Amino acid sequence: TQTVSQSDAHVTVFEGDSVELRCNYSYGGSIYLSWYIQHHGHGLQFLLKYYSGNPVVQGVNGFEAEFSKSDSSFHLRKASVHWSDSAVYFCAVSAPNTNKVVFGTGTRLQVLP
Amino acid sequence: EAGVTQSPRYAVLQEGQAVSFWCDPISGHDTLYWYQQPRDQGPQLLVYFRDEAVIDNSQLPSDRFSAVRPKGTNSTLKIQSAKQGDTATYLCASSPDNYEQYFGPGTRLTVL
Repeated sequence: TQTVSQSDAHVTVFEGDSVELRCNYSYGGSIYLSWYIQHHGHGLQFLLKYYSGNPVVQGVNGFEAEFSKSDSSFHLRKASVHWSDSAVYFCAVSAPNTNKVVFGTGTRLQVLP
Repeated sequence: EAGVTQSPRYAVLQEGQAVSFWCDPISGHDTLYWYQQPRDQGPQLLVYFRDEAVIDNSQLPSDRFSAVRPKGTNSTLKIQSAKQGDTATYLCASSPDNYEQYFGPGTRLTVL
């Protein structure tokens, strides 16, 4: 069974700062990893995904994430955040032989002006 | 391309009442998911379908919850006798593959 943990419930930064949102997973085999964003009152929106190849994947709006097998991590980063990036970010994992996706508990990112 | 649509957007019930949620996925997406998202938590899978078949409903409280997708397109999630613990947002998502899900706006349910 795959599990995912997001250790930071809240992260606060200033506009223009860089940010890293952490995600760690546990699973014995190959795994799909993804990040989603949820603005208040809306459904989740896909940001990016990784399965194989280049461990650094680029997503929408300047987000990128880096896979590390040794650390069992898939941290999300952005070099310069904007106030509109304020939202809840969810890391998600799924095994290749199933369509079932397991979501983390989310990290609320607050970007201050 | 139209996104995933859900209705109603909000529902307020007394305990013991029934409610149905409706989801229209993106055309051509064969996999459809229903999630329950309690306040300030991540989405928790209730059930998912591939076409009209239920693939996994192990997390669906079967005594009160039911879900159908009769023609492999639209889906309905029903709660027969709501409890206060059912208060949450119910999200529908569809997917063309295993990697990327497209979510609707959700139905926010409050059970008094």
